[in-house]
Amino acid sequence: DTGVSQDPRHKITKRGQNVTFRCDPISEHNRLYWYRQTLGQGPEFLTYFQNEAQLEKSRLLSDRFSAERPKGSFSTLEIQRTEQGDSAMYLCASSPSNQGGEKLFFGSGTQLSVL
Amino acid sequence: GESVGLHLPTLSVQEGDNSIINCAYSNSASDYFIWYKQESGKGPQFIIDIRSNMDKRQGQRVTVLLNKTVKHLSLQIAATQPGDSAVYFCAENGMNYGGSQGNLIFGKGTKLSVKP
Repeated sequence: DTGVSQDPRHKITKRGQNVTFRCDPISEHNRLYWYRQTLGQGPEFLTYFQNEAQLEKSRLLSDRFSAERPKGSFSTLEIQRTEQGDSAMYLCASSPSNQGGEKLFFGSGTQLSVL
Repeated sequence: GESVGLHLPTLSVQEGDNSIINCAYSNSASDYFIWYKQESGKGPQFIIDIRSNMDKRQGQRVTVLLNKTVKHLSLQIAATQPGDSAVYFCAENGMNYGGSQGNLIFGKGTKLSVKP
């Protein structure tokens, strides 16, 4: 499978704990995105990387959230001191820079439940 | 704020019939639109996209129509099959809201149910 890969698929944690998710984009894609999706809603943009540079962050990305893409390949999204409101599906997507960049390929997501 | 929305939250069709899913947007400067299909427990899957210099674009069994006058787009699925059952999202490029190209603004989605 050469699609976007996310790990873990599911994460259950207690309020106040830290969690980290990983995303492996399609190998030739240099753009990587994180989105969040709550039940019954469309995905909401969180942040965007071009190679290793984080070029855009949404207001949704509070200071408890941090994303990295250290070598321009895989990315991690960490949530510190989780809150119940953080419960959502966290989606990663990637796109190549040579075809407009808007056509995103999504992974299957990490479902986070904060108890 | 959210500018892309859908007229109907659910749509039920008979297998073999054509389906039409509608979407409205509010920013007249929006120049790129995209439709995604999302099955339960999976990430959104690209279906078709269209730029504002086009009124219609066809794919395999799918057609997207864009009416810029009334800021409306639709997704037509021909000969709907049970495998088409999913939630369908329209999205627009967030660049006209100050975001980057990949900052897509999604609507809330329409759930399509196909009856055998």
